[in-house]
Amino acid sequence: NAGVTQTPKFRILKIGQSMTLQCAQDMNHNYMYWYRQDPGMGLKLIYYSVGAGITDKGEVPNGYNVSRSTTEDFPLRLELAAPSQTSVYFCASSYQADNNYGYTFGSGTRLTVV
Amino acid sequence: AQKVTQAQTEISVVEKEDVTLDCVYETRDTTYYLFWYKQPPSGELVFLIRRNSFDEQNEISGRYSWNFQKSTSSFNFTITASQVVDSAVYFCALKNNDMRFGAGTRLTVKP
Repeated sequence: NAGVTQTPKFRILKIGQSMTLQCAQDMNHNYMYWYRQDPGMGLKLIYYSVGAGITDKGEVPNGYNVSRSTTEDFPLRLELAAPSQTSVYFCASSYQADNNYGYTFGSGTRLTVV
Repeated sequence: AQKVTQAQTEISVVEKEDVTLDCVYETRDTTYYLFWYKQPPSGELVFLIRRNSFDEQNEISGRYSWNFQKSTSSFNFTITASQVVDSAVYFCALKNNDMRFGAGTRLTVKP
């Protein structure tokens, strides 16, 4: 199994451009998450989804949008990129029948906004 | 509110030394889960351990051990006889509905 796959691995955007970070999982996990990790910091939750068609905001949702049309995919959209969005983005998934499951993380997308 | 504090920003040890990484958490929930993740220089996040709030038994896995104390809201991680390959950033996390991470501790093990 591939686990959680994120694309692209690296991207440079100009201020004001838009892009979509892709995330796909093949473990039939119902919960999916997007985090950002700023240099020297922990991970901050951007958005999460408890199943197809359901999304919710995390700690730092401003400037981002998500959708969950299928169980497998959870893309993250940046509409108007800003330098403050320079970060490493991690997607994660879990099978959350209860809270006793850790997350499986993707390998991350390093985004630079210039 | 949920919060995880890892007060040690960076730790440097010499190989074979023992090292303890501290984690203190805050939550009003009675049911929660605690995790440790390792982030090596390659950048991925590797799950190490989870512990639920009703299980205060300490755990040992090889050179790794974890000490969970609800009385002090701590979930500390000890590496015995550290090795260069242990060099990484280690994150403690608290989970109820979603997972909140500490800022991480960067461990450098020198040969």
